[in-house]
Amino acid sequence: GNSVTQMEGPVTLSEEAFLTINCTYTATGYPSLFWYVQYPGEGLQLLLKATKADDKGSNKGFEATYRKETTSFHLEKGSVQVSDSAVYFCALPTGYSTLTFGKGTMLLVSP
Amino acid sequence: DTGVSQNPRHKITKRGQNVTFRCDPISEHNRLYWYRQTLGQGPEFLTYFQNEAQLEKSRLLSDRFSAERPKGSFSTLEIQRTEQGDSAMYLCASSLNGGGPNTEAFFGQGTRLTVV
Repeated sequence: GNSVTQMEGPVTLSEEAFLTINCTYTATGYPSLFWYVQYPGEGLQLLLKATKADDKGSNKGFEATYRKETTSFHLEKGSVQVSDSAVYFCALPTGYSTLTFGKGTMLLVSP
Repeated sequence: DTGVSQNPRHKITKRGQNVTFRCDPISEHNRLYWYRQTLGQGPEFLTYFQNEAQLEKSRLLSDRFSAERPKGSFSTLEIQRTEQGDSAMYLCASSLNGGGPNTEAFFGQGTRLTVV
């Protein structure tokens, strides 16, 4: 079945540092790929998505490129802020509409 | 509409007791999902509804768990004879029908269950 593997956290960075959170997937075919974010005390929110190979999803300065050759969808941001501190989840569909999530990667950004 | 609403936010119960959680989805969304999230893990799918019909159930949903969506609007998730292993965050999400696997799911803040 479909599955997702994320790098373990926490990832600790200083403000304005470059961020990469690795995500690789196993799937039949070429499913859409998602990054969700969970800020402290809040529900999960869709951060960005890519629907086909070589697509780049982007939002709020975050980017991720759908790489079928390496079955990866790494999340990047050029300059993180304290407000980016959250847990980030890579996900892909299982079946028609349900999602399979990775374990999540906590990001801690210090001023 | 303020998004997906879940109640209660926190629930502490004694082992063996029954608990019920409620989810109010975004009003125009006809799909509703329940997920469970344990510490250090990502959300795991439990079940989903399209309108009032429960279309899929995960193997995680033991016979002590039951979910309903009687009028195709709010949903309840009941856990009978709770066990300590049921302690988790229970997340509800909703989405529009018809968008397939690209459709964005909107999540509530969750109900944190602690079984003591």
